[in-house]
Amino acid sequence: AQSVTQPDIHITVSEGASLELRCNYSYGATPYLFWYVQSPGQGLQLLLKYFSGDTLVQGIKGFEAEFKRSQSSFNLRKPSVHWSDAAEYFCAVGALRQGAQKLVFGQGTRLTINP
Amino acid sequence: KAGVTQTPRYLIKTRGQQVTLSCSPISGHRSVSWYQQTPGQGLQFLFEYFSETQRNKGNFPGRFSGRQFSNSRSEMNVSTLELGDSALYLCASSLEGGPLMNTEAFFGQGTRLTVV
Repeated sequence: AQSVTQPDIHITVSEGASLELRCNYSYGATPYLFWYVQSPGQGLQLLLKYFSGDTLVQGIKGFEAEFKRSQSSFNLRKPSVHWSDAAEYFCAVGALRQGAQKLVFGQGTRLTINP
Repeated sequence: KAGVTQTPRYLIKTRGQQVTLSCSPISGHRSVSWYQQTPGQGLQFLFEYFSETQRNKGNFPGRFSGRQFSNSRSEMNVSTLELGDSALYLCASSLEGGPLMNTEAFFGQGTRLTVV
């Protein structure tokens, strides 16, 4: 069955520091992978997506992610975080299960930024 | 262009009641999906509607239902509410629907349902 694991429930980094959020997926075929961000009380905003091609994907707000098939990973990175990046981040895989297409989400990683 | 609009934003209901949530997708989008978000279970897929037909369904009981109108607006209904139905309900719209169809899903701000 398709699944997504985000090993870190909560991460704290200092403003200006680099960031890496981990995501591992389980999927039999080539996955469609997504990173979403959710600010408190808000919906989800797509940061970036991987469908095929170049394994390093650039997204909005200075984020990037790298698809590594051998490690079944799709980690999100940002070289220098800003206080406004504090939010919850969700990794998701586009899954086909019993004919149903849907997004399967990880449990999320809450990011706190220290000033 | 306007984003995905969900109404109401907040709702408080009593156990046993029923509730209807509304989602207006981005103009031109024909697919609407619904997700339930809770602290314990995270984000879970409820169902997807495309051109007024339920195309996909998640693993939720029959108390959860929905429909889509000809203008692509969608409603979700939950009958016989239980305390465990308290959650943030998110709606997502996309052009053709389904992440495997290589289209982006845009999410609304959600409806926060509290069952007391």
